[in-house]
Amino acid sequence: SQQGEEDPQALSIQEGENATMNCSYKTSINNLQWYRQNSGRGLVHLILIRSNEREKHSGRLRVTLDTSKKSSSLLITASRAADTASYFCATEGGSNYKLTFGKGTLLTVNP
Amino acid sequence: DTEVTQTPKHLVMGMTNKKSLKCEQHMGHRAMYWYKQKAKKPPELMFVYSYEKLSINESVPSRFSPECPNSSLLNLHLHALQPEDSALYLCASSQEGAGAAKNIQYFGAGTRLSVL
Repeated sequence: SQQGEEDPQALSIQEGENATMNCSYKTSINNLQWYRQNSGRGLVHLILIRSNEREKHSGRLRVTLDTSKKSSSLLITASRAADTASYFCATEGGSNYKLTFGKGTLLTVNP
Repeated sequence: DTEVTQTPKHLVMGMTNKKSLKCEQHMGHRAMYWYKQKAKKPPELMFVYSYEKLSINESVPSRFSPECPNSSLLNLHLHALQPEDSALYLCASSQEGAGAAKNIQYFGAGTRLSVL
């Protein structure tokens, strides 16, 4: 079953604006990861946040995790056209190796 | 080198053909994965190999047969596929799966498979 549900399913913004994507999940997790996928390509790992962390930064990325609400958000600041991609959250729960991916948010950054 | 290499990039096959997808990594990772991804959908896990042994099979039909000849290579043998098997097949690797940052997965660019 799908663990993560991203919101919104699609987001279109102008270059320079911030983009926020949300992910909700159903069961307890060890960590939550965000991946980016350019059209028809492989996924690229962006950031991992552990279940005992609340916020993490990496460059223009900011991830928050609220385990009480079983939700996470990914903020991309000062977006660029090159940020156009699909973004997936992925949760790791009790089963080793297995990541469960959410349905993804398609982000379009217009120049 | 953080690269996972998949070949071929594109594959067209008939329903009676036998073909193989190949995946290679030289990062010393001991876990390797096959995913299937349909358009506008998330990747779906098919198989996981850990230390060259099949660890997870997500009830995949037997027309898909994985093989891990050594710690750097992963194959997916295809036989008698159906048109609905057309998809992007992604390979990934990770250091190990034990509930830590070591489960960060590195993906190849995928093989775009079309079954006619």
